[in-house]
Formats: sequence, structure tokens, C-alpha cells
Amino acid sequence: SQQGEEDPQALSIQEGENATMNCSYKTSINNLQWYRQNSGRGLVHLILIRSNEREKHSGRLRVTLDTSKKSSSLLITASRAADTASYFCATGYSGGGADGLTFGKGTHLIIQP
Amino acid sequence: DTGVSQNPRHKITKRGQNVTFRCDPISEHNRLYWYRQTLGQGPEFLTYFQNEAQLEKSRLLSDRFSAERPKGSFSTLEIQRTEQGDSAMYLCASSVDYKVQETQYFGPGTRLLVL
Repeated sequence: SQQGEEDPQALSIQEGENATMNCSYKTSINNLQWYRQNSGRGLVHLILIRSNEREKHSGRLRVTLDTSKKSSSLLITASRAADTASYFCATGYSGGGADGLTFGKGTHLIIQP
Repeated sequence: DTGVSQNPRHKITKRGQNVTFRCDPISEHNRLYWYRQTLGQGPEFLTYFQNEAQLEKSRLLSDRFSAERPKGSFSTLEIQRTEQGDSAMYLCASSVDYKVQETQYFGPGTRLLVL
């Protein structure tokens, strides 16, 4: 079963606007990562935030993490047509168990030119 | 290109046939992961290797699935007696030792269609 849940499932905005996607998860985590996937292709790693961090920036990306609410958000500023893709959050477990990442279902982002 | 590579990129097979996929991780990455992704869903973890040792298997990995990493470099994922429900994208990822870097780098995937 998938732990993360992204919200919204789909988002369509105009080029130049900001896009915000949210992710909620259920169990304790060691880190949370955001990935981008263009149609039918592999995943590209965007940013990793550890459980003891609250905010992280990378270029036009800003990620926040609230472990008390078990949620994270990804903000893409000044969106471009090339940002059209599916965005997934993925959590890494703390404690034992599989070291594979647990992904949500993703947010499909469409940037209208 | 020094990224993760997967072959073949596409595979069409008939139900009941066996298929094998290959993954070549990034050099010096000692961890290798297999995931499966169906349409409209996020990837689901199948199994991972630390060097040549297979350390964890998801309950999604039925006994028809077997993965190997014989020399701690490339890995193969075999599906025996394929079923239509096996149709999916199979993704491979690699990373350096978990204690140093958790980021997993993904390959382009192998898309399997079982007729």
C-alpha cells in the first residue's frame, strides 16, 4: 500500500504562476523526497528534506516539512511549460523494515503556455 | 552517460512466458532497488540489494519474481509465467550507502505489456 497522498491529484495553472502541491504520510519517517516524472519516463530526484529540517530550497523549488502534521509541501515558483509533469513525494522509513521508498500517487501538473 | 540504464525499454510478451529485465546502476553505487509502477499510481517498492546481497523483499514480490545481482554490479529481474496483471513499468534505482546518501537515482524503466 502507498503511504503518501499528494493533493491535489491534478493541477493546471498558467505559465509564470506558482504551483503548490501537498503530501501527507502516515508513519514516522527519516526523510521525505520529491521526484518529478515526465510522461512515461523515469523519475528525476528534485529535493530531499530530513525529518529534523523544516524548510529547504533548491532553485525555484521550496519544500516544507511538518512532522507533527505528517505533511510536506512543494512550491514551484515562476512555473514554466517544461515543469509539466507528475510530482511524487516519497518517504524513507525510520527504524527497521525495507529501505525502499514509499511513494504517493502523485500530482499531475499542467502548465498552460 | 553515467546514469542508471535499463534494458529493454519495452517488452511485449504473451501470458505464461518468462521475461527478464536488466539494470545497470551508477558506478560505485552499492545499493540497487527495483520498483513497479502501474498506470496512474506511484512506484511501489519490490526489492533491494546491498552489493550482491538481497536484503529486503516486498510482499508484492510473488514467487514468480526473482531478482539477482551476482557480482554486485548489474541486476536482473525475472518474471516467470507472466500474467496480465504483471503489465507495468519496472523501475530500477541505485544509491550509495544509506548512511551517506539516501537519494535514489532512477533509470528510464522497462515497460512490460502482457497480452
